[in-house]
Amino acid sequence: SQKIEQNSEALNIQEGKTATLTCNYTNYSPAYLQWYRQDPGRGPVFLLLIRENEKEKRKERLKVTFDTTLKQSLFHITASQPADSATYLCALPFGGGYNKLIFGAGTRLAVHP
Amino acid sequence: DVKVTQSSRYLVKRTGEKVFLECVQDMDHENMFWYRQDPGLGLRLIYFSYDVKMKEKGDIPEGYSVSREKKERFSLILESASTNQTSMYLCASTERANEKLFFGSGTQLSVL
Repeated sequence: SQKIEQNSEALNIQEGKTATLTCNYTNYSPAYLQWYRQDPGRGPVFLLLIRENEKEKRKERLKVTFDTTLKQSLFHITASQPADSATYLCALPFGGGYNKLIFGAGTRLAVHP
Repeated sequence: DVKVTQSSRYLVKRTGEKVFLECVQDMDHENMFWYRQDPGLGLRLIYFSYDVKMKEKGDIPEGYSVSREKKERFSLILESASTNQTSMYLCASTERANEKLFFGSGTQLSVL
């Protein structure tokens, strides 16, 4: 069955540094991958979608890479700020034409001033 | 922006009760989903619906049912609540398959 792995330990970084989060998957070749942000007590919020034929995608301070050979996506936040502190989830589609997503457990990011 | 509204933020129920969780979206989306989220396990799909009165089982449908009588409303029903159904329940919608999901704020359900 499909499996998604994200670092279970929290990532602590200093303000201004680049945060890099990892999403690994197995037993699957997804057509795309999505990243979401989740704040405590709230629902996830969509950030970026990257397709299998895209190596890299950027949105403001965010950058996502997608390596289908390694079965891995990296999520980067450059010039990180304390407001970036949250849990970040990656998600992959499965199940034919419907938008059924498998989510990773998420990685909690803490940016310290 | 799309708004997905879940009827309750916190809910406390007793074992054996029938529980209704309501979700409403205001953007005429075709697809709606119910997930539960538990620490260390991520989001797990319970049921989804791709049209009115249509539903499909997700990964963990046991102990749950759903109802979609109107396009904007998707209800999750716990037929007989059990303590292992204590969890955060998240509703989501999307206009078309393979697009981003819009989530509600979640309902933290405690079954005592």
